[in-house]
Order: sequence, then structure tokens, then C-alpha cells
Amino acid sequence: AQSVTQLGSHVSVSEGALVLLRCNYSSSVPPYLFWYVQYPNQGLQLLLKYTSAATLVKGINGFEAEFKKSETSFHLTKPSAHMSDAAEYFCAVSSMNRDDKIIFGKGTRLHILP
Amino acid sequence: EAQVTQNPRYLITVTGKKLTVTCSQNMNHEYMSWYRQDPGLGLRQIYYSMNVEVTDKGDVPEGYKVSRKEKRNFPLILESPSPNQTSLYFCASSPAIVSNQPQHFGDGTRLSIL
Repeated sequence: AQSVTQLGSHVSVSEGALVLLRCNYSSSVPPYLFWYVQYPNQGLQLLLKYTSAATLVKGINGFEAEFKKSETSFHLTKPSAHMSDAAEYFCAVSSMNRDDKIIFGKGTRLHILP
Repeated sequence: EAQVTQNPRYLITVTGKKLTVTCSQNMNHEYMSWYRQDPGLGLRQIYYSMNVEVTDKGDVPEGYKVSRKEKRNFPLILESPSPNQTSLYFCASSPAIVSNQPQHFGDGTRLSIL
């Protein structure tokens, strides 16, 4: 069985500061990992995904994430936060097994302080 | 424009009055899914469909029905809604069950059951 844990339901950073949103996963087989963003009154949009190619994955809006197998982590980062980054972020895990559905974390709400 | 369309976006209704939330995608995706989003619980899958006439239960199917008579449509039916089904609902689709494919989400339907 797979699982995903997002550390911190709320994270606040100052505008221009580094954004770090943490995600740890559990999977008995090589995972596929995703980060989604949800802006107010909208559905989830894909930020980036890891599917066993490069371990450092670049996404939209300047975000990137690094797959670290030894730490079972897939943390999301952005060097400089912008006010428009305020949203809820979801980490998700799946695998090549047909029986493994995509599992979403509980989400982290990112607040940007002026 | 590729999209997943849900209707209605907002609905307030009363206990026991049957309702249907429609979902339609224009990307010829095989896989469609319904989720509910509740504070602190993240996204939980209600039902999913791998293709026309093929549906299966997700993690929280009680009190819901679905159908998949056409590839593009995947309505969610609440035969006798109850207050504990008050939630934010999302429909999603992806090209196939292959788990490295990201899902495309609708903008959500906020249901309030009084």
C-alpha cells in the first residue's frame, strides 16, 4: 500500500523568501510523484511530476522538486516567493501497479506575507 | 480548450432530495474519478471509472452512485443526500489508468445539504 504525508498544514513565508513544502511518501514499488496546486475556487492543477527520469524536476511558475529515494521525500521548493503563490498544495503518489490508485496528501496551505 | 466541466458549481438543498452533479470532459480520456475535499482530510476518492460502463468504488462510496454511459460524461448521483455529504466535490479525468498520467480537474462543486 502507498501513502503520502505532507508536513505542516499551513506554511507562511515572506514575499521573496524561499518556499519549502515537505512531502514524504511510502511505497513498496518505484513511485510516481506529483505536486498539484489549488487556487481559491478552482480545481487542482499539475505543478510537476516525477516518473523515474531525472530526480530534480522543474515545474511551472518557478517551482521544482527533488526526488530523494534514501529519504523517501519529494519536497517542493521555489527560490523566491511571490504573492501569487498563495494557494493550497497537494503532494500525490501512485505507481506502475494497476492496483495502486493515486493517493493525495492532506494538503499544505501556503501563506505569503508582504 | 481542454477542460473538465462540472455543474452546478454551487448547490444548497435539503436532506433526502435527490440530486445529480454532472461532469463532462472533452479530452477523450478513458479514466474519470470523483473526489470530495474536506478540511483536514484532503482529497478522498468516491468512485472512479476506467472506461464506458466500467465503474468501481473508491475510498468513500457510501451514499453515492455514478454511471458512465458515454466516454465524456461521468455524473455523480446522491439518491438521498444527508448533511454529512456537505462538501466540495471534484471530478477529474486522465488519459488512462496508467498511473504516471496526471489528472485534469474540474473547478469543483460546493454542496450544502441542510
